[in-house]
Formats: sequence, C-alpha cells, structure tokens
Amino acid sequence: AQSVTQLGSHVSVSEGALVLLRCNYSSSVPPYLFWYVQYPNQGLQLLLKYTSAATLVKGINGFEAEFKKSETSFHLTKPSAHMSDAAEYFCAVRYGNNRLAFGKGNQVVVIP
Amino acid sequence: DVKVTQSSRYLVKRTGEKVFLECVQDMDHENMFWYRQDPGLGLRLIYFSYDVKMKEKGDIPEGYSVSREKKERFSLILESASTNQTSMYLCASSPITGGTQPQHFGDGTRLSIL
Repeated sequence: AQSVTQLGSHVSVSEGALVLLRCNYSSSVPPYLFWYVQYPNQGLQLLLKYTSAATLVKGINGFEAEFKKSETSFHLTKPSAHMSDAAEYFCAVRYGNNRLAFGKGNQVVVIP
Repeated sequence: DVKVTQSSRYLVKRTGEKVFLECVQDMDHENMFWYRQDPGLGLRLIYFSYDVKMKEKGDIPEGYSVSREKKERFSLILESASTNQTSMYLCASSPITGGTQPQHFGDGTRLSIL
C-alpha cells in the first residue's frame, strides 16, 4: 500500500533561512507526488507536483522539490523563508483510482 | 480556476442529529472526495465518488454515508452524529484522466458535535 512519511510535526525556521521539509514515500509503481500548503482556515492549495518529466520540480512561492528514486524521497525546499510561509505543508502520493495518501503534515513556524 | 465550494465554514450540531455537509464544484470533474482532517493525523479519506451515483469507501467510512445525484454536487451525511466526529471536513475534486491531475480543495467545514 502507498504511504507517506513526514517527520517532525512542527518545524521552526528563522526568516531568511532555508526551509527544508522531508517527505519519504512507499509506492509499488512509479509515483505521482504532490506537495500541498494549507494556510489558516483555508483548504489545501497545490504547491507543486512530480510527473516524471524532471526530477527537480519548481512550484509556486519560490518552493521546489527534488525527486530521488533511490531514496524514495521528495523533499521540499525554499532558499529563504518569508513570514508568509507560515502554514501547514502536506506531501501526498497518488494511488489507485486517483486517490491520494497524505503524510501527517508539517506545521511551519517562521521566526522573525 | 477550479472552484470547490463547501456550504458551511462552521457548523455546530448535537449528538444524534443527522448532519449534511454539501460540496459543489464548477469544473465538471468526475471525481469527488470527502476527507477528515485532525491534528497530527493529516487527511484521511472518508468516501470517494468517480461518477454520479457511484461511490467507494475510503479509509474511515464508519458512521458516514454519501450522496451524489448530480455531477457537480457531493454530499457527506453523518447518520447519527457523535462527539468523535467533531473535526474539519474537506471536500476535493479532480478530473478522471491521468495521475498527474491534482485534487482541488474547498475551504473546509469545521464541524462541532456537542
């Protein structure tokens, strides 16, 4: 069965510092992978997706993620954190008939 | 842009009541989903529908049912609400074609059962 692991429910980062959120997946087939962001009192918004076209994927708001098959990872990064990046981030892998398995999420706190 | 609209942002109901959560999407998507979101547990799939009147159970269907009479509308029903169903409920939709199509989410309904 497909599953996603995100370690560290809460991640604190200083404004201007690197944001790194780790995602490891298990999948029996080549995966389709997604990162979503959830701002307070809102639904989930797509940040980026991996579609096998390129291993380094660029998304919105300066985020990017790198797919590493050998490590079964799809870690999310942003070079310089901004206060507006404070949100919850979810990694997800597609399985079955267009279903998604989500990780438990990372709550990012940006320290001024 | 895809618009997924959930009828209520906040809802308070009493134990034992029958509760309806409504979701409408405007992009003619075949797939629609209901999730439950709880702190530390991420999103868990309750039910999934891939066509009108078609449904599949997700990971936590107990205590819930769904209805899809029209393509654009997907309803989640709590047959007899209980306090352990207090949660955030998220609706999503996606087209049926291709695994790279993301799901599009509504803003959620925060449901409290007293």
